Parts: sequence; C-alpha cells; structure tokens
Amino acid sequence: NAGVTQTPKFRILKIGQSMTLQCTQDMNHNYMYWYRQDPGMGLKLIYYSVGAGITDKGEVPNGYNVSRSTTEDFPLRLELAAPSQTSVYFCASSYGTGSLTFGAGSRLTVL
Amino acid sequence: DQQVKQNSPSLSVQEGRISILNCDYTNSMFDYFLWYKKYPAEGPTFLISISSIKDKNEDGRFTVFLNKSAKHLSLHIVPSQPGDSAVYFCAAIPLIQGAQKLVFGQGTRLTINP
Repeated sequence: NAGVTQTPKFRILKIGQSMTLQCTQDMNHNYMYWYRQDPGMGLKLIYYSVGAGITDKGEVPNGYNVSRSTTEDFPLRLELAAPSQTSVYFCASSYGTGSLTFGAGSRLTVL
Repeated sequence: DQQVKQNSPSLSVQEGRISILNCDYTNSMFDYFLWYKKYPAEGPTFLISISSIKDKNEDGRFTVFLNKSAKHLSLHIVPSQPGDSAVYFCAAIPLIQGAQKLVFGQGTRLTINP
C-alpha cells in the first residue's frame, strides 16, 4: 500500500517556466490537498478537492492551478514560475474525518 | 495573521525526561486539533488529536492537553526517546463541514539528547 505518492522529489525551474507536480493516492480517499511549506513556517493550503471534478482555493492559491479528473490523482500546475514559489510542496489525502495522510514532498527551486 | 502559533522554534530535552511542546490559537471556531511529526525529507505523519469537547487525550507516551479558555494546547512526551527527535507541528480545523482545511503552526524542532 503506497499511500500518497508525489513526483518529482526535486526540481529546479527557471523563472517563467511551467511544470506540474504529480500526486496520486491509492487509499480511495475523496479529499485531497496541496500544501506548501516555506523555511521556518508552517504548511499553508494552496488548493483542495472534495472529490473528482470538484476543486477549491485554499489560503495561497495565486500562481497555481489544479484539476481532479479521477479520485486517485490531484496534479498541481505552476504556469509561470517565480522565485516566490521556491518551497517544499506536500500533497495529502483523507476520508473527510480524522487526520490527513501526507506524501513525502516535492522540493522546488525557482532561479 | 497567524491563527496557530508555536512560539518555541526549538526544544532540547534529555533522553528519559518529559518533552512539552506548546501551541496557541486565536480562532475560537477551531473544533479539532492535531499534532504531526515530521522527519527530514519526509512528509508529516499524524501523531495524536483532540476534539474541542475534551481536555485530554492519551496514546501511549503521548498526551495532548487542551485548555479552551486559554486557547492553548500542549503535547507531552514521556519518557522522551532519541527517535522522538523531529519537527512537531500543531494543527487546527475550524468547525465547518466539508474538507478538513488544517491550519498549521510554524513547528517546533525537538532534539532528544542521550
């Protein structure tokens, strides 16, 4: 049972480039989330989804887009990378009650 | 606006002693509180939680205390072990139906010294 899998683990982008962070879960969770963690800070919610086809903004959505075409997958898209998006990104999922299960994280650097 | 605050960035405790990690919150709408533990290069893992209708929850060496009037919660680890060295995040969920949009504190790095 893999849980929540994120790819890539590391990526360096140039300013203005775009990329997609992939997230997949095999626990049949309805709820999925993207958080970012900056140094010395807690995790901040970017986007979340309550089920396939339904997404909504979190606390810091600017510069990001998401889609949820299946229960398993919740990719995060960065269209025009900026240095402010240098961070560690965590994907998580849950049944809707109790705790969230997190992936191992994707470290993104924008130069 | 930091709704969940962990004012101690780091804490160092001797092995075998008690570790106490603190967390304060400002939003009275928070209904459920969780502690997560995070090792380097890994995602946070769930440790223990408490509902706002309780003031204490215990799971083995870990106990969480909630003081609603003071808007304060704490995590006690006893006895502390070297494997407990990690960053600990406090998180809170508001009383809103639907997705669990956790609000996290900044984290406290706990170091257990042999």
